Amino acid sequence: DTAVSQTPKYLVTQMGNDKSIKCEQNLGHDTMYWYKQDSKKFLKIMFSYNNKELIINETVPNRFSPKSPDKAHLNLHINSLELGDSAVYFCASSQMAAGNTIYFGEGSWLTVV
Amino acid sequence: AQTVTQSQPEMSVQEAETVTLSCTYDTSENNYYLFWYKQPPSRQMILVIRQEAYKQQNATENRFSVNFQKAAKSFSLKISDSQLGDTAMYFCAFSPHNAGNMLTFGGGTRLMVKP
Repeated sequence: DTAVSQTPKYLVTQMGNDKSIKCEQNLGHDTMYWYKQDSKKFLKIMFSYNNKELIINETVPNRFSPKSPDKAHLNLHINSLELGDSAVYFCASSQMAAGNTIYFGEGSWLTVV
Repeated sequence: AQTVTQSQPEMSVQEAETVTLSCTYDTSENNYYLFWYKQPPSRQMILVIRQEAYKQQNATENRFSVNFQKAAKSFSLKISDSQLGDTAMYFCAFSPHNAGNMLTFGGGTRLMVKP
């Protein structure tokens, strides 16, 4: 009964490939997020969706395309992977209003070789 | 834009003792929220404690408490009676009141609890 689950947890792939990370939450939240944690452990928001609508899109390359088929799912597709995309990607969810606790998934460790 | 600074990249503490992790932030907002998240070796991000800026009273959660100084824009985390399971990265985070629910994180402090 994991609250925010993402798959795969580990992914090793070659430069130039396209890959997807899937995320699902069973908390009934209306907002979902993708955060990126780089090799220095720095965490930064990439995207935020509220009720399937994109509300935050930080300066992320166009190669990254989130898709939210419904409120409970937010998938991340990455085209033409580059070495610099190697990171841990965290999916998260919360209710929309500021101050609500954001619940994180366990992270997906992407390594591009 | 908001920034969050954690000036201690690494800290260590003996089991059962008390340790304080520092966090400062920069914002022009008057109403906002502050958080401390813990990331153990398992990588899971776990909320430790939350503070609302309009509340003067410092938040506490069992062994965890904060010292919130709004004028100084400081939000430190105190861990009392440290336990081995407290070993983790600790991240301070800021969320403005009027920008949805978006977290800006500090760079993290790696805490090692020694037996």
